[in-house]
Amino acid sequence: EIVLTQSPGTLSLSLGERATLSCRASQSVSSIYLAWYQQKPGQAPRLLIYGASSRATGIPDRFSGSGSGTDFTLTISRLEPEDFAVYYCQQYGSSPPTFGQGTKLEIK
Amino acid sequence: QVQLVQSGAEVKKPGASVKVSCKASGYTFTSYSMHWVRQAPGQGLEWMGIINPSGDTTSYAQKFQGRVTMTRDTSTSTLYMELRSLRSEDTAVYYCARLGSGFDYWGQGTLVTVSS
Repeated sequence: EIVLTQSPGTLSLSLGERATLSCRASQSVSSIYLAWYQQKPGQAPRLLIYGASSRATGIPDRFSGSGSGTDFTLTISRLEPEDFAVYYCQQYGSSPPTFGQGTKLEIK
Repeated sequence: QVQLVQSGAEVKKPGASVKVSCKASGYTFTSYSMHWVRQAPGQGLEWMGIINPSGDTTSYAQKFQGRVTMTRDTSTSTLYMELRSLRSEDTAVYYCARLGSGFDYWGQGTLVTVSS
C-alpha cells in the first residue's frame, strides 16, 4: 500500500500568514487521485482539493494544491480564523486508498 | 443538495456486532460508489472499504476482511456497514463517504463505543 507522510505534524502560524503543508508518497501517485481534506473538531472531513490542484465546490481561492509524482503541497495563502484545523492528504488511485497522518494547523 | 445522514451512536459489548446505516439523498444513489472510513479517538482517518454503485461488488481493507460487510439498498438509497466481533480497538467514529472527484460528501459520522 502507498504510505503518505505529511509534514510538519503541527504548524503554528498567525492570521494572515501563508501556510505550506507537505504530503510525500512512498511511491508515485497519479495526480488525478490525490486529494486534500480539512477536518475541524467534532466534524466530518471536508474535501478541499481533488486532482492535486482542483478546488472543490465552495472552497475559497486562498486554498491551492500542487505537486506530482511523490510530492504534493497544500498552500493556504492568507490564514483566516476558520482555517485552523487538521488537514489530511489522501490517494485513492491505488487500492487501498490511504490517508496521511494529518497536519494540525494551530494559531500562533 | 447532497446529504448523507447516518444512524445514531451505538454502545456495544466486546464480541458483539454493530450495523451502521447511511441514508443518501439529493443525487442518483446508483451512480456512485461509496466508502466507509473510521476515526479512532484522537487519531487519523482509516479506510475500511468500498461498495460499487449497484452493490454487487465490495472491496475491504485487509485489516477488516472477514469481520465487515458493506451493503446497499437501492430502494431506500441507504448504505449499511456491519462490523462483527467487536473489540475495544473498534471504538471510533464511522463515516460513509461518496466517491465523486475525491470523497466529495461525507456523512456526519456515527460513534461506536465498544466497552464491557
